[in-house]
Amino acid sequence: GAVVSQHPSRVICKSGTSVKIECRSLDFQATTMFWYRQFPKQSLMLMATSNEGSKATYEQGVEKDKFLINHASLTLSTLTVTSAHPEDSSFYICSAKRQNTGELFFGEGSRLTVL
Amino acid sequence: AQKVTQAQTEISVVEKEDVTLDCVYETRDTTYYLFWYKQPPSGELVFLIRRNSFDEQNEISGRYSWNFQKSTSSFNFTITASQVVDSAVYFCALSDYTGNQFYFGTGTSLTVIP
Repeated sequence: GAVVSQHPSRVICKSGTSVKIECRSLDFQATTMFWYRQFPKQSLMLMATSNEGSKATYEQGVEKDKFLINHASLTLSTLTVTSAHPEDSSFYICSAKRQNTGELFFGEGSRLTVL
Repeated sequence: AQKVTQAQTEISVVEKEDVTLDCVYETRDTTYYLFWYKQPPSGELVFLIRRNSFDEQNEISGRYSWNFQKSTSSFNFTITASQVVDSAVYFCALSDYTGNQFYFGTGTSLTVIP
């Protein structure tokens, strides 16, 4: 079946640094990818929708300068948390929408801890 | 507005008991999809089922079964003869027909006690 891979699965960084998380669709092309954030014991909240070759669409309340999203190819989207602070610590999950069928597949998630 | 409600925050059952997880949704769309996902402690989302709004047939897959009732806007999930490995958070979700708008419920944390 289709697989979406996120890397890294866990990252610990110091406050003030930037962290990049990759989301790759391994065996299909994804015109649209989505980024979610999940706080402990809470649901997934959509942060942004990224379409290949165009700017991401951010949900209300999500700082686009803080969470940079790039969808440079049909198989890769990246989320960069810039100047990370402890409150950015969270579980980030991406999903990719398969180009022809529209099926949605989720990555394994990336746990960010900012010290 | 689209909304998914999972009223049960936490459920504990003893192994081998049956358990039903409730999901109620709201949407003005006539075409939509409903999903259930399992999120074990490791964090990844495991896809369980997708059902489109025109298919009200109940589905059974092993110990899992789903009851879709459009009249009550519910899509409940039953685990029969629960096992410890079923312990996880379960999310119900709703999407529009494009799949671009995806709404998750708040999740139900299931603990199966041996």
